[in-house]
Amino acid sequence: DAKTTQPPSMDCAEGRAANLPCNHSTISGNEYVYWYRQIHSQGPQYIIHGLKNNETNEMASLIITEDRKSSTLILPHATLRDTAVYYCIVRVGQLGNTPLVFGKGTRLSVIA
Amino acid sequence: EAGVAQSPRYKIIEKRQSVAFWCNPISGHATLYWYQQILGQGPKLLIQFQNNGVVDDSQLPKDRFSAERLKGVDSTLKIQPAKLEDSAVYLCASSGLGKAFFGQGTRLTVV
Repeated sequence: DAKTTQPPSMDCAEGRAANLPCNHSTISGNEYVYWYRQIHSQGPQYIIHGLKNNETNEMASLIITEDRKSSTLILPHATLRDTAVYYCIVRVGQLGNTPLVFGKGTRLSVIA
Repeated sequence: EAGVAQSPRYKIIEKRQSVAFWCNPISGHATLYWYQQILGQGPKLLIQFQNNGVVDDSQLPKDRFSAERLKGVDSTLKIQPAKLEDSAVYLCASSGLGKAFFGQGTRLTVV
C-alpha cells in the first residue's frame, strides 16, 4: 500500500505557482520522497526526489519539512502542459532498485 | 538517450484469448518492472526483474499471467486466457541511478 496521502484534485491558474502537498508521516530514515507525474495517455514521468534537503531542478522544487513527515512539490510557473496526475511516493534508498508503490495521486488542472 | 520502448500501443482481444506485450528497457538498466494500471487508479506492480531473474512476482496472477526476461534485456508479459477485468494499461519501466523510467504503455481492451 502507498505510504503517502495526497489531495485528490487541485486547480491552478496558468502562470501561477502550483503547490502540491503530500503527507508521509510514517516515512523511515532511509526512505526518499519521489515525485512522478502522468500526463493523459502517457507513462509516468520522473520529476524530482529528495531525502531531507530541499531540491530544485529544471522542472520543479521539492520542499521537505524538517521532521520529514510532509513535503510540497512546487511548479513555479504552471502551464497548460502541466495538467496531469502527480504522484508522491516514498521509496527505500536512492540507488536501490526497490519498486515505486503508487497511490491515487493528485489530479492537477491548470486553467487558462 | 532512447527511452523504454513498448509494443503494441493498443490491443483489443476477446475474453479467453491470449495476448503478449513486449518491452525493451533503457540500455544498461538491470532492473525491469511491469505495472498494471486500471482506469482511474495508480499503477500497480505486477513483477520485478533483476537482470533475467525474478525479484518480486507476489502480485502477478500466476494462473493466467506470465513474464520472462531472457538474456536480461527485453521482456514479454503474457496473459492467457484473458478476462474482462484485465482491461488496463500495461506499463513497463526500467531503473537506473535511483530513477525509474516508464514506457508509454500498452492499452489492452478485453471484450
